[in-house]
Amino acid sequence: QQQVKQSPQSLIVQKGGISIINCAYENTAFDYFPWYQQFPGKGPALLIAIRPDVSEKKEGRFTISFNKSAKQFSLHIMDSQPGDSATYFCAALSDRGSTLGRLYFGRGTQLTVWP
Amino acid sequence: SQTIHQWPATLVQPVGSPLSLECTVEGTSNPNLYWYRQAAGRGLQLLFYSIGIDQISSEVPQNLSASRPQDRQFILSSKKLLLSDSGFYLCAYSTYKRGTEAFFGQGTRLTVV
Repeated sequence: QQQVKQSPQSLIVQKGGISIINCAYENTAFDYFPWYQQFPGKGPALLIAIRPDVSEKKEGRFTISFNKSAKQFSLHIMDSQPGDSATYFCAALSDRGSTLGRLYFGRGTQLTVWP
Repeated sequence: SQTIHQWPATLVQPVGSPLSLECTVEGTSNPNLYWYRQAAGRGLQLLFYSIGIDQISSEVPQNLSASRPQDRQFILSSKKLLLSDSGFYLCAYSTYKRGTEAFFGQGTRLTVV
């Protein structure tokens, strides 16, 4: 069972456009929601993260929107650039119970930004 | 500062040979440690995670095992590799406090031939 559902699987955006990736979860034990960016042949790198007591977090061109009641969160990349082309993963960290410390990932979104 | 080291970067092993991948973390104590596998163009499959020495959880039944001989050392092993064990193996850590993200090593590309 996929604990964190991510969509779309792939995304093509023109340079300067907005890239939007969505994730949803069910487990209320999730307490922290990071996003990772991965380039081919490299390990995922932390991009931005949010806690459920905050509805939005912005860092440069990257923004996380968080809807606690709907159990959904999304990544927005403003003014998308060709260098943003990568695979993006959303994740959720469990903070209690038998899954304490376990980090769950979505399946990833392959973003391609056309110049 | 905190850093994570994973080695080797690439490895080619024959079917039936043993495997040992090592991961160490510096700059923090009692981290959560993770081993993930990523098939080409696919997502991250959690293999093992550990919230402390002698506390290792296995997520996927397979011929791999994990050990944590020291607080900041995590080892992925196999006695006999299968062709299906080929993939990109990633070690990660998170610090043991509420709401802390995980940081990944650079990965090991394993090819079983």
